[in-house]
Amino acid sequence: GESVGLHLPTLSVQEGDNSIINCAYSNSASDYFIWYKQESGKGPQFIIDIRSNMDKRQGQRVTVLLNKTVKHLSLQIAATQPGDSAVYFCARGSGGYQKVTFGIGTKLQVIP
Amino acid sequence: GAVVSQHPSRVICKSGTSVKIECRSLDFQATTMFWYRQFPKKSLMLMATSNEGSKATYEQGVEKDKFLINHASLTLSTLTVTSAHPEDSSFYICSARDAQRDLRDTQYFGPGTRLTVL
Repeated sequence: GESVGLHLPTLSVQEGDNSIINCAYSNSASDYFIWYKQESGKGPQFIIDIRSNMDKRQGQRVTVLLNKTVKHLSLQIAATQPGDSAVYFCARGSGGYQKVTFGIGTKLQVIP
Repeated sequence: GAVVSQHPSRVICKSGTSVKIECRSLDFQATTMFWYRQFPKKSLMLMATSNEGSKATYEQGVEKDKFLINHASLTLSTLTVTSAHPEDSSFYICSARDAQRDLRDTQYFGPGTRLTVL
């Protein structure tokens, strides 16, 4: 079956350091891979996505890497800030964004 | 732009009652809206996809008679949890897909509604 999962449930990072959140997927029939940030009691917030035919995409302080050979996706956050503390979900989109399937989530804790 | 709101943000009800949750796209038209539920410390699970003017498509295992979805306009979808029971307590989140072709294809999420059934 299709699934999107994460290696680490919790990640603690010192403020100012870089964060890397990993995700493995088992089904490659996706148009997009997407990262969302969810703060406590709020809905998911789009961070960045990457088309399935790309390897890397950069945004403001974030970079997403896609390794289709090993079915691995990562989100890198540069100079992590306390405001980055949240749960991060990887997700895949099929049919464009017609159907988005979420992974388990990783909690990022930024230590001041 | 691309703001999605939900109302109410929190609701507490007695077992056996029905609860309606509204999802609105505030500054764009959404031909498609999605309803998710999320249990504590868990991921979002898609419940159903609703298209304006047509019946919703429910995911496997989601009871359509239990979770009634209406998408009567391009800016409003409602989810009604009928005869709610404590096991229906959850965080319900909607999202909307922008219908305008020149804007980025993505889903915009609402802030969620916390339902507690006593």
